[in-house]
Amino acid sequence: AQSVAQPEDQVNVAEGNPLTVKCTYSVSGNPYLFWYVQYPNRGLQFLLKYITGDNLVKGSYGFEAEFNKSQTSFHLKKPSALVSDSALYFCAVRDNSNYQLIWGAGTKLIIKP
Amino acid sequence: DAGVIQSPRHEVTEMGQEVTLRCKPISGHDYLFWYRQTMMRGLELLIYFNNNVPIDDSGMPEDRFSAKMPNASFSTLKIQPSEPRDSAVYFCASSSAINEQFFGPGTRLTVL
Repeated sequence: AQSVAQPEDQVNVAEGNPLTVKCTYSVSGNPYLFWYVQYPNRGLQFLLKYITGDNLVKGSYGFEAEFNKSQTSFHLKKPSALVSDSALYFCAVRDNSNYQLIWGAGTKLIIKP
Repeated sequence: DAGVIQSPRHEVTEMGQEVTLRCKPISGHDYLFWYRQTMMRGLELLIYFNNNVPIDDSGMPEDRFSAKMPNASFSTLKIQPSEPRDSAVYFCASSSAINEQFFGPGTRLTVL
């Protein structure tokens, strides 16, 4: 069965420190992977995606994600966290049979000053 | 482009009333998705359309829910009759083919 797991409900990081939000997936065929961010009372915003090519994908707001095929992971990273990065982050993988996105449960990222 | 537009942004209604949520996708996008988000259940896909045709409505919770897409620039999600457990934030999203989805700001529905 195709699925996405975000093992951490919440991640706490001090401002200025590097951050990682974890995501693992299970999908048939080539994985198409996405990260979205949701700020309070807003819709989801696209951050970045992996389709093919370089395993390190750069996205909006200084975020990047590393695709690891052997570990079936697509962790979101940022070298230096900002308080404004505090939000809910969703990982998603595309179901290659119908183009739907399979969503993780979300990880709440809290950046403390 | 103005992005995905949803209306109303907030809706408060009483149990048993009909609720209609509206969505205008991004021009040129041929996929449209309706999602529901709650604290308990997270983000759920309700239904999606391709070229105005409903493709998968298996996420629609029950017959009280219906969705239409009469043309490429407009879709509705209707709940009739509404119940308190329908209270949630409803999102519309659109995309072109295999590309990323763009979300609207959502409609926060409260059913009393």
